[in-house]
Order: sequence, then structure tokens, then C-alpha cells
Amino acid sequence: AQSVAQPEDQVNVAEGNPLTVKCTYSVSGNPYLFWYVQYPNRGLQFLLKYITGDNLVKGSYGFEAEFNKSQTSFHLKKPSALVSDSALYFCAVRDGGNNFNKFYFGSGTKLNVKP
Amino acid sequence: KAGVTQTPRYLIKTRGQQVTLSCSPISGHRSVSWYQQTPGQGLQFLFEYFSETQRNKGNFPGRFSGRQFSNSRSEMNVSTLELGDSALYLCASSLDPTSGAPSYEQYFGPGTRLTVT
Repeated sequence: AQSVAQPEDQVNVAEGNPLTVKCTYSVSGNPYLFWYVQYPNRGLQFLLKYITGDNLVKGSYGFEAEFNKSQTSFHLKKPSALVSDSALYFCAVRDGGNNFNKFYFGSGTKLNVKP
Repeated sequence: KAGVTQTPRYLIKTRGQQVTLSCSPISGHRSVSWYQQTPGQGLQFLFEYFSETQRNKGNFPGRFSGRQFSNSRSEMNVSTLELGDSALYLCASSLDPTSGAPSYEQYFGPGTRLTVT
């Protein structure tokens, strides 16, 4: 069965420092991986995705993610954090089998960027 | 292009009542999924519709149902509301991956905040 784990409920980082939000996954078949961000009282916003190709994927707002097949990880990164990056981040994997468009989401990681 | 819209944004109901939530997907998107988000359970998949047919279903009781119209707009209904149904209900739309590479991300609406008292 497909699943996603975000081992950290919360990540704290100072503005200007690099940030990493961790995600590991378990899938049968090819992984289709996504990161989303949610601001308070809002829906989820798509940040980036990995389907195939380069292991380093670049997305919106300066975020990037590194796909590591051997470690089954898809960590979200940003070289220099902004206070405005403070939000809830979700990693997701899409079922690549017959159940098209069934997404499995991690439990979310709250990112706090302090000035 | 307009994003995914959901109505109403906020709703207060009492136990035992029923509620209908509406979702209009991005133009051209034919796949619509619904999720329930709660602080304790996170994001849980309810169901997905494509071409007016329910294609996938999550592990929710039969009180939760949905439908999709020919214009891809979707509604979900919850009957006999319980206190535990209080949540943010999110709708997401995407292009149909069966028509091409399975790489299409979902785009989410702002959600409907349902409070059951």
C-alpha cells in the first residue's frame, strides 16, 4: 500500500538559514511525489512534483526537493528561509496503479521561521 | 484561469442535520476529489469523481456521499451529522491522468469549514 511519512511535526529555523522538511514514502511501482503548502484557513497550494528525471526538482517560491530512490525520501529544501514561509507543509504520493488520482498525504509539518 | 471554488466557505449545523457542499473545478479539469482535514487525522481522502462516476472511495461511512455533474462540478453530502464531522472539507481538481502521463497535480479550493454543534 502507498504511504507517506513526515517524521517531524514541527521544524524551527531562523530567517536566512537553509531549511529542510523531511518526507519518506512507500509505494509499489513508480513514485509520483508532490509537495504542497497550506497557510491558515486556506486550501493547499502546489509547490513542486517529481515524476521522473533529475533527482533535484525546483518549484515555486524558491523551494526545491531532492528525490532519493535508495532512501525512499523526498525532502523539501530552501537555501534561505523567509518568515513568510511559515506554514504547514504536506508531502503526498499519487497512486501509480489502477487507482488513478488517489493521493496519499503525510501528516504535515509545521514550519516556523523566526526573524 | 479561475481556481477551484467551493461554497459555502463556512457552515454551522446541528447534530442530525444534513449538509451539501459544492465544488467547481478549474475549467478543463474533469477529475474532482474530496478530502476531510482535521487536526487529529490530517488529510483523509473521501472520494474522487470523473465523468460523473465515482472512481475511488476512501474509508468513510455511507453518510458521506457525492456526485458529479456533466459540467464537472461536484457536490458532497453528509447526512445525519455527528460532532466528529466538524472539519475543513477540501475539494481538488486535476486533469485526467488516464489521458496522458500520470503527472498531473491536484489543485485545491479554499475549503468549506463545517462546524457541527
